[in-house]
Amino acid sequence: GESVGLHLPTLSVQEGDNSIINCAYSNSASDYFIWYKQESGKGPQFIIDIRSNMDKRQGQRVTVLLNKTVKHLSLQIAATQPGDSAVYFCAVPSGGYNKLIFGAGTRLAVHP
Amino acid sequence: DTGVSQDPRHKITKRGQNVTFRCDPISEHNRLYWYRQTLGQGPEFLTYFQNEAQLEKSRLLSDRFSAERPKGSFSTLEIQRTEQGDSAMYLCASSSPGTNYNEQFFGPGTRLTVL
Repeated sequence: GESVGLHLPTLSVQEGDNSIINCAYSNSASDYFIWYKQESGKGPQFIIDIRSNMDKRQGQRVTVLLNKTVKHLSLQIAATQPGDSAVYFCAVPSGGYNKLIFGAGTRLAVHP
Repeated sequence: DTGVSQDPRHKITKRGQNVTFRCDPISEHNRLYWYRQTLGQGPEFLTYFQNEAQLEKSRLLSDRFSAERPKGSFSTLEIQRTEQGDSAMYLCASSSPGTNYNEQFFGPGTRLTVL
């Protein structure tokens, strides 16, 4: 079945540094990818998405890169702030966009 | 607050008891989803509704679980004869055709602890 995985369960960075969170997916037919942020005690919050016809998409302080050749995507956070501390998940829709398949998540810890 | 709301936020119950959770989606969203999230893992799909129709159920949804959305607005998830393995965060999400259902908005979840 379809699977999504992240490379590192935890990532520790200094405040102000850039963060890169990686994700691999299994289904080469996947055409849409989403990054979610989950803070402690809260539900996942949509950050940014990208379609397979794009290699890069930028938001506010975040950039998602998609490499379809190796089925890999990454989330880059510029000038990481303490408020960025959370668990980050990549997700792909499955079953005709009826459900999301999530990876296990990467916990980002931002140190002053 | 116009986001997805869930009630209760926390539930502690004894093994064998029945529990029911409620989800109120964003008002104009006609799709509603239930997910389960265990510690250290990403959310896992359980089931989803389009309006009042339950269109898909995961194999994770055993016969002890039942979900309803009787009027196409709020939804309930009931777990009968709870087991310790049911301890998890139960998340509800909703989406609308306006974004081709792509963006699912999640509620804060109900954390269930089965003793």
